[in-house]
Amino acid sequence: SQELEQSPQSLIVQEGKNLTINCTSSKTLYGLYWYKQKYGEGLIFLMMLQKGGEEKSHEKITAKLDEKKQQSSLHITASQPSHAGIYLCGAEPHNAGNMLTFGGGTRLMVKP
Amino acid sequence: NAGVMQNPRHLVRRRGQEARLRCSPMKGHSHVYWYRQLPEEGLKFMVYLQKENIIDESGMPKERFSAEFPKEGPSILRIQQVVRGDSAAYFCASSTLQGLNTEAFFGQGTRLTVV
Repeated sequence: SQELEQSPQSLIVQEGKNLTINCTSSKTLYGLYWYKQKYGEGLIFLMMLQKGGEEKSHEKITAKLDEKKQQSSLHITASQPSHAGIYLCGAEPHNAGNMLTFGGGTRLMVKP
Repeated sequence: NAGVMQNPRHLVRRRGQEARLRCSPMKGHSHVYWYRQLPEEGLKFMVYLQKENIIDESGMPKERFSAEFPKEGPSILRIQQVVRGDSAAYFCASSTLQGLNTEAFFGQGTRLTVV
């Protein structure tokens, strides 16, 4: 079965600093999703990547997909306290729809 | 257009009781997915349903758990004779199509506590 490993598991940064979260898959990636979960709440869809080399941005968050490395990275520029939360990457194991396998999550804290 | 609606948001059940979790997908979405997030663990897929059909239940425990998505009304995840280990956050997601560039939108979740 496909496994997704996220790194780091937790991250504390000073407000205004940039940061990167990585998501590495044990198998071929057919679609990679990034979600944000605030503590004790639901998941907020951030971005979906499908093709190798694809890069998407939303406000100060950029995600890239490296198909060859079976890896995706999420980069936040000039972090703000509102970016705090748990970032989850999810992947479709075999292009089988939204039955996603998720990584363990990265807990981000942003110090004002 | 309301998002995915789950209710209740919080549910407390005693051991041995039944828990019913409801999920109303986004308008126009006919695909529903249930996930479970155990304390200190990741989000795990449980079951995938379309209207009146279970498409994939490979992630759902074989006993005590069942799911349905009737022609009318919300999808229901039912847990019979709950045990403490069932305490978790249960999330529902919906999409318009199966995979292929579709986004799955999640509800706020139902947090089940078994006492």
